[in-house]
Amino acid sequence: EPEVTQTPSHQVTQMGQEVILRCVPISNHLYFYWYRQILGQKVEFLVSFYNNEISEKSEIFDDQFSVERPDGSNFTLKIRSTKLEDSAMYFCASGDSGEIGETQYFGPGTRLLVL
Amino acid sequence: GENVEQHPSTLSVQEGDSAVIKCTYSDSASNYFPWYKQELGKGPQLIIDIRSNVGEKKDQRIAVTLNKTAKHFSLHITETQPEDSAVYFCAAIANTGFQKLVFGTGTRLLVSP
Repeated sequence: EPEVTQTPSHQVTQMGQEVILRCVPISNHLYFYWYRQILGQKVEFLVSFYNNEISEKSEIFDDQFSVERPDGSNFTLKIRSTKLEDSAMYFCASGDSGEIGETQYFGPGTRLLVL
Repeated sequence: GENVEQHPSTLSVQEGDSAVIKCTYSDSASNYFPWYKQELGKGPQLIIDIRSNVGEKKDQRIAVTLNKTAKHFSLHITETQPEDSAVYFCAAIANTGFQKLVFGTGTRLLVSP
């Protein structure tokens, strides 16, 4: 069964450093998402991406964040200058239609720890 | 914006018992309500969903009910098994045009043999 993959599974970085989280969505999917979950809190929407542009973003997704689909298979989330409060589990998801009721398939997540 | 509340945060049952997890939502425009199961080390996986034009949906041991008037929906698992042990998240989607899931806080279900 096709699945979303994410790398790395864990990342430790120093405050102020840039990190890039990578995702490989399911191959025929066109809609891509990033969510995050701070320990003990809700899973929160960050951004959705379609046709090589952001379709919606949350208030969390400020200028420090960016997303890119650099090639036909990868979808990345970059945090330019990490803060302590960026420590969280980051989930990538993909879907094939973008319509109400579309199933979003989630990857296993990247646990980011900012020291 | 939408806000989803979920209860309880933890739920312990004996194998064979039923488990019920409840969620409420705030945005009356929300019209799609999926439930996700998250096992250790994995991302959330869709287990069942319901649209706002339906009051109940069943899939084997799992059912979801929706009360649009009261703005709440529930997950029911019957004949629980140890492999049902996981964290369960409810979610809602408002009709914004894109699939922005708003999640509940999660329920850790433990099924004891």
